[in-house]
Amino acid sequence: DAKTTQPPSMDCAEGRAANLPCNHSTISGNEYVYWYRQIHSQGPQYIIHGLKNNETNEMASLIITEDRKSSTLILPHATLRDTAVYYCIVRVASGETSGSRLTFGEGTQLTVNP
Amino acid sequence: DAGVIQSPRHEVTEMGQEVTLRCKPISGHNSLFWYRQTMMRGLELLIYFNNNVPIDDSGMPEDRFSAKMPNASFSTLKIQPSEPRDSAVYFCASSLTWGRWGGINQPQHFGDGTRLSIL
Repeated sequence: DAKTTQPPSMDCAEGRAANLPCNHSTISGNEYVYWYRQIHSQGPQYIIHGLKNNETNEMASLIITEDRKSSTLILPHATLRDTAVYYCIVRVASGETSGSRLTFGEGTQLTVNP
Repeated sequence: DAGVIQSPRHEVTEMGQEVTLRCKPISGHNSLFWYRQTMMRGLELLIYFNNNVPIDDSGMPEDRFSAKMPNASFSTLKIQPSEPRDSAVYFCASSLTWGRWGGINQPQHFGDGTRLSIL
């Protein structure tokens, strides 16, 4: 799976948009971009994933650049409960059992401040 | 809807004892994953089952670790004998896959983990 690079930490004011960047310059054509987050003392929580088109769900939006070498997770109105470590993961789409592996890096510690 | 259920939530035991962690995946999911999380190594995949069959156990640290999935709604991870370096948070996750190797772009849903301390 392609390696990802994320800033170690970010701060955001409550109510403002949180934009979390991720670089994945070696991504392959059949690899998806996934975002998970882990709130302290809880299991990782799936947020969103995409291949090449921008995606939006009830939690967040995912913006993937045209060359697919980077992406941004957007939490439109951050709340204190969004304080967590956010992981960007690149993973093959199908066909290989090794693709089942989610490789979690260091992630970005997002702190939402009152 | 019930998520992935793990038990116990906390386990403290002495070195050398057998430890059994339990997991109930989300109903209808046919893939199950065991992960371990430590400060030093982060989150690591230990083993992956698809349709109750172990597919990838390359992450299992050594022979002291074993995992079973006797049916679609239950899995265990056993450590025997346990050692202090096994202390970690163990997570179980499940997902729905299909096809020959599975639609493995489907997201995994995690339980809240078992915090294991070996004294």
